[in-house]
Amino acid sequence: EAQVTQNPRYLITVTGKKLTVTCSQNMNHEYMSWYRQDPGLGLRQIYYSMNVEVTDKGDVPEGYKVSRKEKRNFPLILESPSPNQTSLYFCASSFSTYNEQFFGPGTRLTVL
Amino acid sequence: GQNIDQPTEMTATEGAIVQINCTYQTSGFNGLFWYQQHAGEAPTFLSYNVLDGLEEKGRFSSFLSRSKGYSYLLLKELQMKDSASYLCAVPGYIPTFGRGTSLIVHP
Repeated sequence: EAQVTQNPRYLITVTGKKLTVTCSQNMNHEYMSWYRQDPGLGLRQIYYSMNVEVTDKGDVPEGYKVSRKEKRNFPLILESPSPNQTSLYFCASSFSTYNEQFFGPGTRLTVL
Repeated sequence: GQNIDQPTEMTATEGAIVQINCTYQTSGFNGLFWYQQHAGEAPTFLSYNVLDGLEEKGRFSSFLSRSKGYSYLLLKELQMKDSASYLCAVPGYIPTFGRGTSLIVHP
């Protein structure tokens, strides 16, 4: 089954404790993205990747890191989480920037 | 830059027809997407328009006018399960999503 998976689905953590949210897709997509979704603000892109070892900032990259060492995986790293990073996070993938995106199920993160 | 506007909320009755509008301003245009998102779930693809006109797909249709920077999503024979948020989006390296229109379908 073609899908994007994310883990964990839910996470409660404390300020400053490094965390990683994993994302994996099995569709051989080249383009992958991370978004955060906040009430009233919609989906905002954090980082994107055009291919292995090619990543770039989206609209709201501050406080986040990503890596793309393999085509299928695109982890999101929060080195020192803060309460303003409490949000619903989605990973997405597509063949290119102009194709439909397939979204993971989401990760609800709470930073205390 | 890019900007997208769509209504925040709409309500409709089961069995009715509803039209959700989206206006956009972009520096370049490569089509417009519509996604459906149920509460707490991931967005899922509904339609993609790159040329002017109406694209019909079952109960859902999407229209695009590039000269007016305008699109709409038309939902026919509304069902309760259509209660969701509908996002229009302009693709690109950094896609721009509208804030979503929350559609409430009541009996």
